[in-house]
Amino acid sequence: GQNIDQPTEMTATEGAIVQINCTYQTSGFNGLFWYQQHAGEAPTFLSYNVLDGLEEKGRFSSFLSRSKGYSYLLLKELQMKDSASYLCAVRDSNYQLIWGAGTKLIIKP
Amino acid sequence: GAGVSQTPSNKVTEKGKYVELRCDPISGHTALYWYRQSLGQGPEFLIYFQGTGAADDSGLPNDRFFAVRPEGSVSTLKIQRTERGDSAVYLCASSSRGSIWGQVLSYEQYFGPGTRLTVT
Repeated sequence: GQNIDQPTEMTATEGAIVQINCTYQTSGFNGLFWYQQHAGEAPTFLSYNVLDGLEEKGRFSSFLSRSKGYSYLLLKELQMKDSASYLCAVRDSNYQLIWGAGTKLIIKP
Repeated sequence: GAGVSQTPSNKVTEKGKYVELRCDPISGHTALYWYRQSLGQGPEFLIYFQGTGAADDSGLPNDRFFAVRPEGSVSTLKIQRTERGDSAVYLCASSSRGSIWGQVLSYEQYFGPGTRLTVT
């Protein structure tokens, strides 16, 4: 079967750094996506990794290791507005996205 | 530019009724996806259109669910004989042929605001 695992909930402090992990087992791999979803809103695209290594975009970075079936999203200089759910999704051999359940990130002042 | 739009934003219906949910994708996006999402879960794939045809409908839970995209733009998700278990947020997403992320094409999906369906 296909499976995406990520922690259910994490808590961090404003101004700090947090790393959200994602492990996956899918039939084929054609890229990994991270999306941000605020409560009651639609997911919005954050990052995409298809090759091993780190992709940096402002305060957000995403890392991929295909051999380990592992990715993480790193958020720096946390702001209160970063409180949201973070969804990991893998595009499989059929080019469909397999989604994790999301990690709810709570930022405290 | 205009994003993906969905109507209605909320729909309350009685068990057994028929509902239609509409999605208007980003202009020029050939790929269109329907998902449903329950609280605390990631999106669950329902159906994928490439142009007018359903390229993959393997996620439709049963034959009460049907979707069309007759002109390759707007899509309608139709649910017959609704059940309480159909209550969820129905999300639509569209995608272009790709955009550059680093040196590779990402084909990221852009989501609409969703339709919250409640079956009483």
